[in-house]
Amino acid sequence: ETGVTQTPRHLVMGMTNKKSLKCEQHLGHNAMYWYKQSAKKPLELMFVYNFKEQTENNSVPSRFSPECPNSSHLFLHLHTLQPEDSALYLCASSQDDSSTDTQYFGPGTRLTVL
Amino acid sequence: AQKVTQAQTEISVVEKEDVTLDCVYETRDTTYYLFWYKQPPSGELVFLIRRNSFDEQNEISGRYSWNFQKSTSSFNFTITASQVVDSAVYFCAYSGNTPLVFGKGTRLSVIA
Repeated sequence: ETGVTQTPRHLVMGMTNKKSLKCEQHLGHNAMYWYKQSAKKPLELMFVYNFKEQTENNSVPSRFSPECPNSSHLFLHLHTLQPEDSALYLCASSQDDSSTDTQYFGPGTRLTVL
Repeated sequence: AQKVTQAQTEISVVEKEDVTLDCVYETRDTTYYLFWYKQPPSGELVFLIRRNSFDEQNEISGRYSWNFQKSTSSFNFTITASQVVDSAVYFCAYSGNTPLVFGKGTRLSVIA
């Protein structure tokens, strides 16, 4: 059983589209994360939520809008994206948002912006 | 600021060879954790190990072993008798007083 699931696995969208990425964790964790993984760049932390409250926004453009309705679900709403936003978007969860907690990752959503 | 360096961008070995992936970190924290993750072609980051800064004991798990040396700020990962299924990108990561910081990864290709 996969602890962290993400849908869709692949997404192609135009710059004027609006879409959402979904993440669900089945590990009973309280913290959830969004990361962006671009080619030849280190993983970039985007957002952190702990007990549904956002605790970190790593200077992410407003065209990315996160939502965390409960500790098990995390969304990333996308609108008016740019081609350079094409990347693998990874969701992760951990027991709490302590920097020392082990994070468990989902399979990612491969996003292509045309 | 904390920094993680994986100097090896790509490594290619023949099956059954041993391979060591290097990881060097920079920090002023006294308490911190180090991690290794594996990212196969499917994309998911798979957690392999977490070590804290007070535990320098080497660890072995099957064909995997880790060598943590605080004196050289290194946390190297060795795969013994490599297999094709070991082909992946391996990331070293650090956490202390800041969120998890990842290295750029080492792409390992194991050829049959």
